Amino acid sequence: GQSLEQPSEVTAVEGAIVQINCTYQTSGFYGLSWYQQHDGGAPTFLSYNALDGLEETGRFSSFLSRSDSYGYLLLQELQMKDSASYFCASLGGNTGRRALTFGSGTRLQVQP
Amino acid sequence: DVKVTQSSRYLVKRTGEKVFLECVQDMDHENMFWYRQDPGLGLRLIYFSYDVKMKEKGDIPEGYSVSREKKERFSLILESASTNQTSMYLCASSFSYRGPSSGNTIYFGEGSWLTVV
Repeated sequence: GQSLEQPSEVTAVEGAIVQINCTYQTSGFYGLSWYQQHDGGAPTFLSYNALDGLEETGRFSSFLSRSDSYGYLLLQELQMKDSASYFCASLGGNTGRRALTFGSGTRLQVQP
Repeated sequence: DVKVTQSSRYLVKRTGEKVFLECVQDMDHENMFWYRQDPGLGLRLIYFSYDVKMKEKGDIPEGYSVSREKKERFSLILESASTNQTSMYLCASSFSYRGPSSGNTIYFGEGSWLTVV
């Protein structure tokens, strides 16, 4: 099987930095992805780590440590529009390389 | 831009009805997926398809079936709707895995909110 654990909710203020953690257990691993979903909207792809280390895309960065089965999404210079749910996801497990398994999501609230 | 279109945004159905949720993608993706999203449970995979007429069960297939007669279209069927199937249903599509550098990018539709009364 496969499971990904992440905190249910995180609150931060505008302009701050926030880190959303994800730990996973999987048989077979093909990288860790992050998706963002605003209320009422579709999840959209943010970032992907195939190898250990940090990937940076503008204000967002994602980190992976395969030896620790751990990753995180780092959001810098938070803006109100970053209030959304964030999901980590990975291939592997029962579906092999064909379908993503998602964590239960972290709801980020950005306060003024 | 990739477009994944779900036929109905909001539906209300009665218990025992047969329900069809339709999904079409325009990117020639090999893979198509149906997920269900419930508060606190994240996105759970119901079924997926990696080719026309091919389907595989996900984590929660009970009470659902799927059909993929054409590459661009993937249908989710609730044979006899029940109240515990009230949820948001998300269709998604992607290319087949092409190696680590290709990433794990899938594209979602806007979702179908189904209420079974």
